[in-house]
Amino acid sequence: DAGVTQSPTHLIKTRGQQVTLRCSPKSGHDTVSWYQQALGQGPQFIFQYYEEEERQRGNFPDRFSGHQFPNYSSELNVNALLLGDSALYLCASSFYPSGYTGELFFGEGSRLTVL
Amino acid sequence: KQEVTQIPAALSVPEGENLVLNCSFTDSAIYNLQWFRQDPGKGLTSLLLIQSSQREQTSGRLNASLDKSSGRSTLYIAASQPGDSATYLCAVNSQGGSTLTFGKGTMLLVSP
Repeated sequence: DAGVTQSPTHLIKTRGQQVTLRCSPKSGHDTVSWYQQALGQGPQFIFQYYEEEERQRGNFPDRFSGHQFPNYSSELNVNALLLGDSALYLCASSFYPSGYTGELFFGEGSRLTVL
Repeated sequence: KQEVTQIPAALSVPEGENLVLNCSFTDSAIYNLQWFRQDPGKGLTSLLLIQSSQREQTSGRLNASLDKSSGRSTLYIAASQPGDSATYLCAVNSQGGSTLTFGKGTMLLVSP
């Protein structure tokens, strides 16, 4: 049973560029959420997707956007990259009917470095 | 606004010791609390999930307790091993859905 998979694992961008990160949820899961983890900090919630719509959003600017596809996979897009966007981006999946009480499963993350 | 604090920030123990990691949160109106393990540069591995109606959960050498009214949870690790060395993160779900609020973690080092 495949867990949550993310790609790419590492990438380097320069300021002002755009980046797209990808996530496939755990088998049987239909909800995907994204988190940003800066070095030495706990992860911070960016947004959650269910039924191809953004359902919840954390305190992140509009430069952060996402998409969910019919097969439940998801993309995170970040425009106009800033140095402060350098972080580990984590994808988590869950099963929505148990969403309020369900367990979240995380992927290995995508390490973004902005130069 | 929910805030999660983990104490201590770092802990170093010899192999075989029993240890306790602490997590506190400011808003007791939570759906659940989840403990994770994170190895350096890696993703999060779920260890235990405690629903708001539960008092504790156990998995192998791990036991997590929840005192919702006082805003506290503890993770107890019995007979620690070098392979337990990692950062342990506590996260609470107080808004529903996939919105977890994390602490900064406790970095654990278990020496042989």
